[in-house]
Amino acid sequence: GAGVSQSPSNKVTEKGKDVELRCDPISGHTALYWYRQSLGQGLEFLIYFQGNSAPDKSGLPSDRFSAERTGGSVSTLTIQRTQQEDSAVYLCASSLADSYNEQFFGPGTRLTVL
Amino acid sequence: QKEVEQNSGPLSVPEGAIASLNCTYSDRGSQSFFWYRQYSGKSPELIMSIYSNGDKEDGRFTAQLNKASQYVSLLIRDSQPSDSATYLCAVNFGNEKLTFGTGTRLTIIP
Repeated sequence: GAGVSQSPSNKVTEKGKDVELRCDPISGHTALYWYRQSLGQGLEFLIYFQGNSAPDKSGLPSDRFSAERTGGSVSTLTIQRTQQEDSAVYLCASSLADSYNEQFFGPGTRLTVL
Repeated sequence: QKEVEQNSGPLSVPEGAIASLNCTYSDRGSQSFFWYRQYSGKSPELIMSIYSNGDKEDGRFTAQLNKASQYVSLLIRDSQPSDSATYLCAVNFGNEKLTFGTGTRLTIIP
């Protein structure tokens, strides 16, 4: 079946602009996660959704970052007033939210802030 | 602070040999452990999950878990050049999200 999809695959923006990143999880996966990976760094957790609710937003770096999920499916991560330090690969993962919590990643969106 | 530690490498292994990748974690109560493979410029791919002490085998891959020692490892038998990648250890500390190590870069030498 289809895996996790993300769009756009690449986004170049100017400092101060807003960007929206989209994630479409595997069908039937109720849990959705956003992570980011900066060059040469490990994966950093941003936010977790169970259905349309976000029980854990603890990883969002600042109030410029927000995310929503609608219909228990597609999620959008929004970064307002982008800064150069926001440049990274933003990865989305989904899981069945069972006790095993196997998370499957999408291809990512590479964000470059000039 | 819940942490996952990996040797960053690089680890070089001759083709056909066994590659051994190691990971330690900070919380003895952790329940779920995962190994992801990440090729350069690609996203992480789940290759093994393990939940109980002992060994779990899947093809050329074996994951080993020792909860008392807070240690999880990945063995790759008959290493192939296509196994060259960064291997990420991830732990679910019981709060749904995964905490990742920084990864071990593995190079298989033909």
